[in-house]
Amino acid sequence: AQKVTQAQTEISVVEKEDVTLDCVYETRDTTYYLFWYKQPPSGELVFLIRRNSFDEQNEISGRYSWNFQKSTSSFNFTITASQVVDSAVYFCALSGANSKLTFGKGITLSVRP
Amino acid sequence: GAGVSQTPSNKVTEKGKYVELRCDPISGHTALYWYRQSLGQGPEFLIYFQGTGAADDSGLPNDRFFAVRPEGSVSTLKIQRTERGDSAVYLCASSLLSGTAYNEQFFGPGTRLTVL
Repeated sequence: AQKVTQAQTEISVVEKEDVTLDCVYETRDTTYYLFWYKQPPSGELVFLIRRNSFDEQNEISGRYSWNFQKSTSSFNFTITASQVVDSAVYFCALSGANSKLTFGKGITLSVRP
Repeated sequence: GAGVSQTPSNKVTEKGKYVELRCDPISGHTALYWYRQSLGQGPEFLIYFQGTGAADDSGLPNDRFFAVRPEGSVSTLKIQRTERGDSAVYLCASSLLSGTAYNEQFFGPGTRLTVL
C-alpha cells in the first residue's frame, strides 16, 4: 500500500521568511512519481511539480525548490522569501504504476504581511 | 485551452436522494479520475477511466457510488441514497494518458456536495 505523511499540519511565517514543507512517503513500487499540489482558498488544486523515482536531482523554480532523497523517502518543498500569495494548503502526493494519486493530509501555510 | 470543468459547483440534497455530478475533462485527455476531499483532508481516489472503461474503481466506498464515461469524454459520478457522510468536495482530474510516464493530472474546481 502507498502512503504519504505530511507531519506538519499548519505553519505560519512572516513574509520574506523561508519555509520548508516536509513530505515522507511509503511505496513498494520501484517506479513511482512524487508530486506537490497547491490548493489556494479558491479550492482548485494547482500542479507544482512532478518528480520520478529515478531522478534525485534537486529542482529549483523561482522561489520554489524541491529536495528528493530516496534514502529517507522524503520529498521536501522549500519556499524562499515567502509571500502572502503563497498562503494555501499544500499537498504532497504519490503515484505508482496504477496512476492514481495518494495524497497526504496537507499542510496549511499562512504567510503574514 | 479550457481546463477541467465540473458542474454543478455546489449541490445541496436531502438524505436518501440521488445525485449526479458531471465532469468535462480537458479536450484530448484520455484518462479521467474522480477523487473525494473531506474537510481538512487530502483528496482520496475513487475511480479512474482510461477511455470509456473504468480501469480502477477500487476507491468507490460502496455500491451506492457509480461512475460512467460512455463516450470517453464527459464523465458522470452518480450517488444513490445519499447519506450525510457523503458530504464532501468531489474533484475530477484528467491527464493526457494514464501510466506513470504521463500521469500529470489537472484538476477541476470540484463540486461541493452537502447532504442534509
